Amino acid sequence: DTGVSQDPRHKITKRGQNVTFRCDPISEHNRLYWYRQTLGQGPEFLTYFQNEAQLEKSRLLSDRFSAERPKGSFSTLEIQRTEQGDSAMYLCASSPWGGAQETQYFGPGTRLLVL
Amino acid sequence: TQLLEQSPQFLSIQEGENLTVYCNSSSVFSSLQWYRQEPGEGPVLLVTVVTGGEVKKLKRLTFQFGDARKDSSLHITAAQPGDTGLYLCAGATGAGSYQLTFGKGTKLSVIP
Repeated sequence: DTGVSQDPRHKITKRGQNVTFRCDPISEHNRLYWYRQTLGQGPEFLTYFQNEAQLEKSRLLSDRFSAERPKGSFSTLEIQRTEQGDSAMYLCASSPWGGAQETQYFGPGTRLLVL
Repeated sequence: TQLLEQSPQFLSIQEGENLTVYCNSSSVFSSLQWYRQEPGEGPVLLVTVVTGGEVKKLKRLTFQFGDARKDSSLHITAAQPGDTGLYLCAGATGAGSYQLTFGKGTKLSVIP
């Protein structure tokens, strides 16, 4: 399977704990995105990488959130001191270089539940 | 802030019926994508439309981008139970920003 993969698919944690999610984009896609989706809503943009550079960050990305893409391939999203409001589906997407249509291909998501 | 309004929010129809869902905004988008999402899964791309007035067909699905690139519609002919899912539209503004703005989606149920 050569699509976007995310790990883990599900995560249950207690409030105050730190969690880290991983995203592996489609091979050779240089653009990588993180979105968050809560129940009954469409995905909301969090951040965007072009290669290893983080070029856009949403105001939704509080200082408890940090994303990295150290080698321009896989990316990690860490949430520190989780809160119940962080419970959501975290989606990763990727797109190829020079894709003028801004088409993004999504992974299966990581569903986070904060108790 | 760009907003995409999708209607209807919920739609329940019998197998074989036709339906249209709408995606509207006051903002202009450089492109617009339609996705279908199953429960617990990520959105799966159906189509990207780029040119105002563009019409694209994908088997029984017909997508149209408005002339002014502010709105779009998805028409499904002879709906089947396998069409059940959440249909999301997402717009890209271009101009150096690569984020997509999503609507809340239309939840479609096709009853056998």
